[in-house]
Amino acid sequence: EVQLVESGGSLVQPGGSLKLSCVASGFTFSNYWMDWVRQTPGKSLEWIGEINTDGSKTNYAPSIKDRFTISRDNAKSTLYLQMSNVKSDDTAIYYCTRTEYRYVMDAWGQGASVTVSS
Amino acid sequence: DIQMTQSPSVLSASVGDRVTLNCKASQNINKYLNWYQQKLGEAPKLLIYNTNNLQTGIPSRFSGSGSGTDYTLTISSLQPEDVATYFCFQHNSWPTFGGGTKLELK
Repeated sequence: EVQLVESGGSLVQPGGSLKLSCVASGFTFSNYWMDWVRQTPGKSLEWIGEINTDGSKTNYAPSIKDRFTISRDNAKSTLYLQMSNVKSDDTAIYYCTRTEYRYVMDAWGQGASVTVSS
Repeated sequence: DIQMTQSPSVLSASVGDRVTLNCKASQNINKYLNWYQQKLGEAPKLLIYNTNNLQTGIPSRFSGSGSGTDYTLTISSLQPEDVATYFCFQHNSWPTFGGGTKLELK
């Protein structure tokens, strides 16, 4: 069974940093591109970014570029999202997703909750 | 950015009804359109990708169609377990989601 389990969500102050992790199981992690998607308290969904199979290529949504970094450790079957200089607008549930084909997100984790507030 | 507009925002229907959800793009997205279902308290789930390809394990009562800027998700016979919010998602250019259609039982 494909499983994605996020962790690391918490309350963080504006301007602070946070790193989310997503541990994958039930499939060969290194064969898949992986994406992050977030959902705001108002329930809007936003695609954040993606990383290719070996971690050598990443793409980010313009709204978070240069503040967030996606990385992966294939030996640990783990995906990461490093968040820096966070803003109140970054408050959301962050989902780790597997992409079966480019941008076809066929498996989702349960989400990690991030709240940015002083 | 390509804007995705879903309509209606809320839809009430009865069990057994044929239901159609709409998604309109601000420009041609060349059929790069996915549909996701999100039930209360759960993560979104892929239903259909690239306009009309049914994801493995999804019931055949779900189908998708469209081209250019206009796309639809159809449920041929609504079931109680289909109560959810449905999101469209374009990936012709920088990926963007629609605002969702909340499907309720009448």
